[in-house]
Amino acid sequence: AQTVTQSQPEMSVQEAETVTLSCTYDTSESDYYLFWYKQPPSRQMILVIRQEAYKQQNATENRFSVNFQKAAKSFSLKISDSQLGDAAMYFCAFQWGGSNYKLTFGKGTLLTVNP
Amino acid sequence: GAVVSQHPSWVICKSGTSVKIECRSLDFQATTMFWYRQFPKQSLMLMATSNEGSKATYEQGVEKDKFLINHASLTLSTLTVTSAHPEDSSFYICSASAHNEKLFFGSGTQLSVL
Repeated sequence: AQTVTQSQPEMSVQEAETVTLSCTYDTSESDYYLFWYKQPPSRQMILVIRQEAYKQQNATENRFSVNFQKAAKSFSLKISDSQLGDAAMYFCAFQWGGSNYKLTFGKGTLLTVNP
Repeated sequence: GAVVSQHPSWVICKSGTSVKIECRSLDFQATTMFWYRQFPKQSLMLMATSNEGSKATYEQGVEKDKFLINHASLTLSTLTVTSAHPEDSSFYICSASAHNEKLFFGSGTQLSVL
């Protein structure tokens, strides 16, 4: 079974600074997907970034980028130039086709952005 | 991106009654839908996976007779919480896919059982 571990229950960052959220996972599969989702107080799940395991290049989406280390099974999220609107719960998630593409989530990291 | 509509957004019911939550894919055919449950300040826990036209597959520990899932069409899945009790109070979220890695989430339903 796949597991996803987020070891930082809470993180804080100053506005305009950079913060990195950690995520590790465990799987015996070689072809899978990894995601970071943001859940603001509205509780709507918002996709932040997606990474295919077969791609060596780290995914980026504007101020959001990942450091994907497949051998180490690590998938961290870096948020640059943090904004007040980035404050939310962030979930790391694992997915593979052999399980019907269901998502397995980590426990989440609550990010606070200080003005 | 694709839109998944979930309603109601919130519902309050008396203990012992049943509640139905709907999840609709508005602009694509969802061959697979997932139902998650989220307690306050916790992660999303998968309850069940439903494929159109077949019985849902429930995760270990989820009572299939209590949480009835129907996926009768390619655009609609329903979750019925039968004989609800206060411990069933939670935030329920659906997500849908067209049998690939792209999942789209509903906005969730807060269930409060008195």
